[in-house]
Amino acid sequence: NAGVMQNPRHLVRRRGQEARLRCSPMKGHSHVYWYRQLPEEGLKFMVYLQKENIIDESGMPKERFSAEFPKEGPSILRIQQVVRGDSAAYFCASSPLGEHEQFFGPGTRLTVL
Amino acid sequence: GENVEQHPSTLSVQEGDSAVIKCTYSDSASNYFPWYKQELGKRPQLIIDIRSNVGEKKDQRIAVTLNKTAKHFSLHITETQPEDSAVYFCAASIPGNQFYFGTGTSLTVIP
Repeated sequence: NAGVMQNPRHLVRRRGQEARLRCSPMKGHSHVYWYRQLPEEGLKFMVYLQKENIIDESGMPKERFSAEFPKEGPSILRIQQVVRGDSAAYFCASSPLGEHEQFFGPGTRLTVL
Repeated sequence: GENVEQHPSTLSVQEGDSAVIKCTYSDSASNYFPWYKQELGKRPQLIIDIRSNVGEKKDQRIAVTLNKTAKHFSLHITETQPEDSAVYFCAASIPGNQFYFGTGTSLTVIP
């Protein structure tokens, strides 16, 4: 049973470009969470999704950020018109329905030049 | 919303000594408290967790205690080893919701 997968592991973008981060949850997990970790800081919640449904996006910046978890395929976190302050590690985690535990992917390290 | 505070931010111990990390939370509805270990450049990994119907849980050298009345929980690592060196995060949540993480404790075990 493969763990949570994220790709790419490293992503470099220039200011103004778009970044797309992908997350494939563990098999059988229907819940996906995205967190952002700035250098030497803790993990901050961004968004919580189930298949085809955003449950909680209270941690997501109002502009430029969006997330989806389609019926088929991975969850995608999309950042439009990236700025240097978006440079961070973005982790997704998945959990099965009705369970507390969240299992983290390896993260995508986004660098904005 | 929930607010989780974690102390200390850095901790150095001699190999073989014990390490204790403490967290407090604000929302009495929180009932699940995991602890994650994160090595440099790696993903957070769950090392132990506790639910609010339990006061203490132990797994080999690692134990967690929970005081619901005072809204605090602690991680205890005994007989520390150099490979325990990492950043440790506590978190609090209610079922089916996001985790609220503490700010992390950087633990260094000195050989």
